[in-house]
Amino acid sequence: QQPVQSPQAVILREGEDAVINCSSSKALYSVHWYRQKHGEAPVFLMILLKGGEQKGHEKISASFNEKKQQSSLYLTASQLSYSGTYFCGTEDYGQNFVFGPGTRLSVLP
Amino acid sequence: DGGITQSPKYLFRKEGQNVTLSCEQNLNHDAMYWYRQDPGQGLRLIYYSQIVNDFQKGDIAEGYSVSREKKESFPLTVTSAQKNPTAFYLCASARGLNTEAFFGQGTRLTVV
Repeated sequence: QQPVQSPQAVILREGEDAVINCSSSKALYSVHWYRQKHGEAPVFLMILLKGGEQKGHEKISASFNEKKQQSSLYLTASQLSYSGTYFCGTEDYGQNFVFGPGTRLSVLP
Repeated sequence: DGGITQSPKYLFRKEGQNVTLSCEQNLNHDAMYWYRQDPGQGLRLIYYSQIVNDFQKGDIAEGYSVSREKKESFPLTVTSAQKNPTAFYLCASARGLNTEAFFGQGTRLTVV
């Protein structure tokens, strides 16, 4: 079952922060985050494994709350280059992996 | 340079014709995937393969077929049985199941 991402879309000014959420109805083993710029291939950002870990990638970090079956992606001091669609992908304990519908992020100057 | 290559970038076909999309990787990855991307629906898994000569259906396999005769290659055939084939198709590869995936640039298929 596809995870739910919120918000569906967000518009920011350069330098502002954003949070993208990903939640599942299933118990999760891991959560993956990807970013896809318009007309390009999705690019891997990070994987979070069970255990409530938090990871960072440049000024982009994420957390994974296994008990709540959700993950959040944090973008701080956003840059123009952060614009794109962010996808979470969730893996359950049966090794089933499914992508969410995506969150479109637009960063304006 | 290592990478994953999809061809062609754009493909036009008449309704009722089968068409094969190419996907080649030189990353020595065991796992390969085919996804379909439609606006607002994210990436939906068509087929995946963890090893040569073996593949499994994904969530939307009906109307599609694949082969994995070589580790480097995972072509996708869109058959005439696929009712709505016009879409953006992405191929990906990974070291193993559910590890970091590397995507190709995609093939945009239009059926007229």
